[in-house]
Amino acid sequence: GENVEQHPSTLSVQEGDSAVIKCTYSDSASNYFPWYKQELGKRPQLIIDIRSNVGEKKDQRIAVTLNKTAKHFSLHITETQPEDSAVYFCAATKSNFGNEKLTFGTGTRLTIIP
Amino acid sequence: EAQVTQNPRYLITVTGKKLTVTCSQNMNHEYMSWYRQDPGLGLRQIYYSMNVEVTDKGDVPEGYKVSRKEKRNFPLILESPSPNQTSLYFCASSKRAYNEQFFGPGTRLTVL
Repeated sequence: GENVEQHPSTLSVQEGDSAVIKCTYSDSASNYFPWYKQELGKRPQLIIDIRSNVGEKKDQRIAVTLNKTAKHFSLHITETQPEDSAVYFCAATKSNFGNEKLTFGTGTRLTIIP
Repeated sequence: EAQVTQNPRYLITVTGKKLTVTCSQNMNHEYMSWYRQDPGLGLRQIYYSMNVEVTDKGDVPEGYKVSRKEKRNFPLILESPSPNQTSLYFCASSKRAYNEQFFGPGTRLTVL
């Protein structure tokens, strides 16, 4: 089955700096890679996702890159702000009908230092 | 309002006493799933369902049961809870696994 590894487990950055979180996956058939943000005491919410037919996707200060050859994808947050402090989860799945297990990474606790 | 609801939000129980956590969505989603969240282990999928009467195991199905008799409901059943099932549980729904997952508010379960 799919295995998703996420690094680092904790990350502290100065406000205004960039943050990068990396995930690797094991199943080369996986083709959908979302990122979820979970604020303290809240439920996870999707912040960005990427499908295997593109290499990069941006949405304002956040971007995701995908390297299918190396089987890894990364979340990039630029110009970090205090509200970016949260736990971030990556995930992977494949759109094969009959097998739609969704596998998450173990999470990264991001702390923005004012 | 589009939402996923779970009940109860908090539950303290004892080993071996059967319990059910309900999950309901009003977005007509076909895909529903249950996750448990434990420190350092992230979100682990317990079971998922791609449609009514279609369920399949996730990564950690042992000790849990599910059913999908109606499209909107996906209850999680613990027939004989044990302390290692103490966790934070999330239900989620979406069109398919490769679409945005909408999570419920979570259920914090403690098994003594």
